[in-house]
Amino acid sequence: AQTVTQSQPEMSVQEAETVTLSCTYDTSESDYYLFWYKQPPSRQMILVIRQEAYKQQNATENRFSVNFQKAAKSFSLKISDSQLGDAAMYFCAFLSGGSNYKLTFGKGTLLTVNP
Amino acid sequence: ETGVTQTPRHLVMGMTNKKSLKCEQHLGHNAMYWYKQSAKKPLELMFVYNFKEQTENNSVPSRFSPECPNSSHLFLHLHTLQPEDSALYLCASSPESVDTQYFGPGTRLTVL
Repeated sequence: AQTVTQSQPEMSVQEAETVTLSCTYDTSESDYYLFWYKQPPSRQMILVIRQEAYKQQNATENRFSVNFQKAAKSFSLKISDSQLGDAAMYFCAFLSGGSNYKLTFGKGTLLTVNP
Repeated sequence: ETGVTQTPRHLVMGMTNKKSLKCEQHLGHNAMYWYKQSAKKPLELMFVYNFKEQTENNSVPSRFSPECPNSSHLFLHLHTLQPEDSALYLCASSPESVDTQYFGPGTRLTVL
Protein backbone atom coordinates (compact mmCIF):
# COMPACT_ATOMS: atom_id res chain seq x y z
CA ALA A 1 0.00 0.00 0.00
CA GLN A 2 1.15 3.50 -0.76
CA THR A 3 1.77 6.05 1.94
CA VAL A 4 2.24 9.80 1.68
CA THR A 5 4.01 11.74 4.42
CA GLN A 6 3.98 15.48 4.94
CA SER A 7 6.34 16.15 7.82
CA GLN A 8 5.46 19.83 8.29
CA PRO A 9 2.04 20.29 9.92
CA GLU A 10 2.39 24.08 9.67
CA MET A 11 4.56 26.53 7.76
CA SER A 12 4.62 30.29 7.49
CA VAL A 13 6.10 32.66 4.93
CA GLN A 14 6.32 36.40 4.45
CA GLU A 15 4.45 37.87 1.53
CA ALA A 16 6.63 37.95 -1.62
CA GLU A 17 9.04 35.39 -0.19
CA THR A 18 9.57 31.77 -1.23
CA VAL A 19 8.52 28.70 0.72
CA THR A 20 9.01 24.98 0.15
CA LEU A 21 6.60 22.32 1.38
CA SER A 22 7.91 18.78 1.79
CA CYS A 23 6.35 15.48 0.79
CA THR A 24 7.70 11.96 0.72
CA TYR A 25 5.94 8.83 -0.41
CA ASP A 26 6.43 5.11 -0.36
CA THR A 27 5.56 2.83 -3.26
CA SER A 28 6.90 -0.17 -5.11
CA GLU A 29 5.35 0.97 -8.39
CA SER A 30 7.20 2.66 -11.22
CA ASP A 31 4.17 4.19 -12.96
CA TYR A 32 2.31 6.76 -10.90
CA TYR A 33 1.26 10.39 -10.62
CA LEU A 34 1.83 12.94 -7.89
CA PHE A 35 -0.26 15.99 -7.12
CA TRP A 36 -0.37 19.01 -4.89
CA TYR A 37 -3.81 20.30 -3.96
CA LYS A 38 -4.63 23.36 -1.90
CA GLN A 39 -7.67 23.71 0.34
CA PRO A 40 -8.37 27.31 1.41
CA PRO A 41 -10.84 28.17 4.18
CA SER A 42 -13.68 27.79 1.65
CA ARG A 43 -12.85 24.02 1.78
CA GLN A 44 -12.77 23.69 -2.01
CA MET A 45 -9.95 21.30 -2.96
CA ILE A 46 -8.07 22.95 -5.82
CA LEU A 47 -5.45 21.30 -8.01
CA VAL A 48 -2.14 23.16 -7.86
CA ILE A 49 0.21 20.99 -9.89
CA ARG A 50 0.64 17.48 -11.29
CA GLN A 51 3.71 15.38 -12.02
CA GLU A 52 3.93 12.15 -13.98
CA ALA A 53 6.55 9.80 -12.57
CA TYR A 54 7.93 8.93 -15.99
CA LYS A 55 8.81 12.56 -16.67
CA GLN A 56 12.19 13.68 -15.44
CA GLN A 57 11.40 17.35 -15.92
CA ASN A 58 9.91 19.04 -12.89
CA ALA A 59 6.41 20.44 -13.38
CA THR A 60 5.81 24.17 -13.08
CA GLU A 61 2.65 26.27 -12.98
CA ASN A 62 3.34 29.98 -12.80
CA ARG A 63 4.66 30.63 -9.25
CA PHE A 64 4.39 26.97 -8.27
CA SER A 65 7.05 24.39 -9.06
CA VAL A 66 8.01 20.98 -7.78
CA ASN A 67 11.28 19.23 -7.04
CA PHE A 68 10.62 15.61 -7.96
CA GLN A 69 13.30 13.19 -6.81
CA LYS A 70 12.10 9.75 -7.90
CA ALA A 71 14.91 7.73 -6.38
CA ALA A 72 14.47 9.47 -3.05
CA LYS A 73 10.65 9.32 -3.37
CA SER A 74 10.44 13.01 -2.62
CA PHE A 75 8.04 15.56 -4.12
CA SER A 76 8.36 19.05 -2.68
CA LEU A 77 6.36 22.13 -3.69
CA LYS A 78 8.00 25.52 -4.04
CA ILE A 79 5.85 28.64 -3.96
CA SER A 80 7.63 31.73 -5.21
CA ASP A 81 6.56 35.34 -4.58
CA SER A 82 4.03 34.18 -1.98
CA GLN A 83 0.71 35.98 -1.94
CA LEU A 84 -1.92 36.33 0.76
CA GLY A 85 -4.24 34.19 -1.35
CA ASP A 86 -1.80 31.29 -1.11
CA ALA A 87 -2.74 30.77 2.52
CA ALA A 88 -4.38 27.35 2.71
CA MET A 89 -3.92 23.73 3.68
CA TYR A 90 -1.73 22.00 1.10
CA PHE A 91 -2.08 18.29 0.44
CA CYS A 92 0.34 16.05 -1.38
CA ALA A 93 -1.33 13.10 -3.13
CA PHE A 94 -0.30 9.90 -4.93
CA LEU A 95 -2.18 8.09 -7.68
CA SER A 96 -1.19 4.67 -8.96
CA GLY A 97 -0.84 4.30 -12.71
CA GLY A 98 -2.40 0.86 -12.54
CA SER A 99 -6.01 -0.11 -12.11
CA ASN A 100 -6.18 1.23 -8.56
CA TYR A 101 -8.28 4.39 -8.58
CA LYS A 102 -7.30 5.43 -5.11
CA LEU A 103 -5.83 8.88 -4.63
CA THR A 104 -3.81 8.67 -1.42
CA PHE A 105 -3.42 11.96 0.47
CA GLY A 106 -0.96 13.14 3.06
CA LYS A 107 -2.18 14.79 6.24
CA GLY A 108 -1.56 18.27 4.90
CA THR A 109 0.56 21.33 5.67
CA LEU A 110 -1.15 24.51 6.83
CA LEU A 111 0.52 27.48 5.15
CA THR A 112 0.19 30.93 6.65
CA VAL A 113 1.23 33.98 4.62
CA ASN A 114 2.19 37.01 6.69
CA PRO A 115 1.76 40.51 5.22
CA GLU B 1 -22.55 26.04 -14.55
CA THR B 2 -19.01 24.63 -14.78
CA GLY B 3 -16.87 22.22 -12.80
CA VAL B 4 -18.14 19.99 -10.02
CA THR B 5 -21.08 21.14 -7.92
CA GLN B 6 -22.42 19.71 -4.69
CA THR B 7 -25.69 20.27 -2.87
CA PRO B 8 -26.48 20.98 -0.17
CA ARG B 9 -23.37 22.82 1.06
CA HIS B 10 -24.38 22.34 4.69
CA LEU B 11 -26.60 19.67 6.24
CA VAL B 12 -27.63 19.03 9.82
CA MET B 13 -29.49 15.81 10.49
CA GLY B 14 -30.58 13.64 13.36
CA MET B 15 -29.50 10.04 13.70
CA THR B 16 -32.88 8.74 12.54
CA ASN B 17 -33.16 10.96 9.46
CA LYS B 18 -32.69 9.99 5.85
CA LYS B 19 -31.03 12.49 3.56
CA SER B 20 -29.13 12.53 0.28
CA LEU B 21 -26.08 14.40 -0.96
CA LYS B 22 -25.92 15.29 -4.63
CA CYS B 23 -22.93 15.79 -6.89
CA GLU B 24 -22.97 16.91 -10.50
CA GLN B 25 -20.04 17.33 -12.84
CA HIS B 26 -20.16 19.46 -15.98
CA LEU B 27 -16.76 18.37 -17.29
CA GLY B 28 -17.69 15.35 -19.42
CA HIS B 29 -15.76 13.04 -17.11
CA ASN B 30 -16.31 9.30 -16.83
CA ALA B 31 -15.23 8.62 -13.25
CA MET B 32 -16.73 10.02 -10.05
CA TYR B 33 -15.70 9.67 -6.40
CA TRP B 34 -16.93 10.25 -2.86
CA TYR B 35 -14.40 11.19 -0.16
CA LYS B 36 -14.80 11.83 3.55
CA GLN B 37 -12.69 14.47 5.26
CA SER B 38 -12.72 14.40 9.07
CA ALA B 39 -10.81 16.69 11.35
CA LYS B 40 -7.21 15.63 11.93
CA LYS B 41 -7.42 12.78 9.39
CA PRO B 42 -6.33 12.44 5.78
CA LEU B 43 -9.00 12.32 3.11
CA GLU B 44 -10.59 8.89 2.93
CA LEU B 45 -11.84 7.47 -0.34
CA MET B 46 -15.33 6.01 0.08
CA PHE B 47 -16.62 5.04 -3.37
CA VAL B 48 -15.52 5.10 -7.00
CA TYR B 49 -17.75 4.93 -10.04
CA ASN B 50 -16.32 4.45 -13.51
CA PHE B 51 -18.75 4.70 -16.44
CA LYS B 52 -21.63 4.44 -13.90
CA GLU B 53 -20.32 1.18 -12.46
CA GLN B 54 -19.12 1.01 -8.88
CA THR B 55 -15.52 -0.11 -8.93
CA GLU B 56 -14.46 0.62 -5.36
CA ASN B 57 -16.14 0.43 -1.99
CA ASN B 58 -13.53 1.22 0.60
CA SER B 59 -15.14 -0.74 3.46
CA VAL B 60 -17.79 1.91 3.96
CA PRO B 61 -20.64 1.13 6.42
CA SER B 62 -23.96 0.28 4.80
CA ARG B 63 -25.59 3.39 6.29
CA PHE B 64 -23.91 5.16 3.36
CA SER B 65 -25.43 4.14 0.04
CA PRO B 66 -24.12 5.58 -3.24
CA GLU B 67 -26.02 5.90 -6.48
CA CYS B 68 -24.73 6.84 -9.92
CA PRO B 69 -27.59 7.10 -12.45
CA ASN B 70 -25.34 8.49 -15.19
CA SER B 71 -21.78 9.70 -15.68
CA SER B 72 -22.69 13.25 -14.66
CA HIS B 73 -24.53 12.62 -11.39
CA LEU B 74 -23.56 10.95 -8.16
CA PHE B 75 -25.61 10.67 -4.98
CA LEU B 76 -24.80 9.60 -1.45
CA HIS B 77 -27.86 8.42 0.45
CA LEU B 78 -27.57 8.66 4.22
CA HIS B 79 -29.63 6.86 6.86
CA THR B 80 -29.29 6.19 10.58
CA LEU B 81 -25.96 7.98 10.75
CA GLN B 82 -23.82 8.33 13.86
CA PRO B 83 -22.33 11.53 15.31
CA GLU B 84 -18.87 10.31 14.24
CA ASP B 85 -20.07 10.52 10.63
CA SER B 86 -20.01 14.30 10.92
CA ALA B 87 -17.45 15.47 8.36
CA LEU B 88 -16.90 17.24 5.08
CA TYR B 89 -18.00 15.02 2.18
CA LEU B 90 -16.21 15.78 -1.05
CA CYS B 91 -17.17 14.66 -4.52
CA ALA B 92 -14.62 14.50 -7.33
CA SER B 93 -14.53 13.52 -10.98
CA SER B 94 -11.83 12.63 -13.49
CA PRO B 95 -11.75 12.01 -17.25
CA GLU B 96 -10.71 8.42 -16.69
CA SER B 97 -10.04 6.41 -13.56
CA VAL B 98 -6.30 7.03 -13.71
CA ASP B 99 -6.26 10.77 -14.17
CA THR B 100 -6.37 14.08 -12.38
CA GLN B 101 -9.34 14.40 -10.04
CA TYR B 102 -11.29 17.64 -9.78
CA PHE B 103 -13.20 18.33 -6.60
CA GLY B 104 -16.47 19.95 -5.71
CA PRO B 105 -16.86 22.41 -2.82
CA GLY B 106 -18.05 19.74 -0.41
CA THR B 107 -21.02 19.22 1.90
CA ARG B 108 -20.45 19.94 5.57
CA LEU B 109 -22.49 17.29 7.39
CA THR B 110 -23.35 17.46 11.07
CA VAL B 111 -25.08 14.51 12.72
CA LEU B 112 -26.76 15.32 16.03
